[in-house]
Amino acid sequence: NTKITQSPRYLILGRANKSLECEQHLGHNAMYWYKQSAEKPPELMFLYNLKQLIRNETVPSRFIPECPDSSKLLLHISAVDPEDSAVYFCASSQARDWGGANTGQLYFGEGSKLTVL
Amino acid sequence: GDSVTQTEGLVTVTEGLPVKLNCTYQTTYLTIAFFWYVQYLNEAPQVLLKSSTDNKRTEHQGFHATLHKSSSSFHLQKSSAQLSDSALYYCALGNNYAQGLTFGLGTRVSVFP
Repeated sequence: NTKITQSPRYLILGRANKSLECEQHLGHNAMYWYKQSAEKPPELMFLYNLKQLIRNETVPSRFIPECPDSSKLLLHISAVDPEDSAVYFCASSQARDWGGANTGQLYFGEGSKLTVL
Repeated sequence: GDSVTQTEGLVTVTEGLPVKLNCTYQTTYLTIAFFWYVQYLNEAPQVLLKSSTDNKRTEHQGFHATLHKSSSSFHLQKSSAQLSDSALYYCALGNNYAQGLTFGLGTRVSVFP
């Protein structure tokens, strides 16, 4: 899937600051950050719809999302904790269009695997 | 809020035999869509099936599922499992308020020769 690109794909951190980047080329109007820990389903962290942050889950304040335009999404992480070790997926969808079974479908990027030492 | 229940954490099946994964849900919304996502090792989840029509069978890659609103279910089935079907399968529900999808806990399928 090259339609949603994420970088970096792998990162190993101590207690440092880092940003994850995502870009989608699907023309979708909603973008998401999901966290997936080992053997668990993806958990929604943040949702942007038309660049507006409309849902912010109870995520630690060291995670700060940014949406510079409708196709790009950033996740800034500061002072990471070992519990943050996971794969972070960017996803997009075409929201508010419920005419058929395509609506609401999430398309995931390849993921960024974060390992905290 | 919405909830999705997948009763089996692990399903093991012999190649060539049928496999069924259960999915039930609870929701307060009228307009809903359902998805089965498959996740292979070290890959992202990708959609396998999707449906928003009650009592209509949906098929893809040999898998099929039918949304039954009367029983709040969207079970996934395949008549003949293949080794390549070994993966993690998630049932997910979406509503018309753009809140993202609600995922079940997932079912790992292991197909043995």
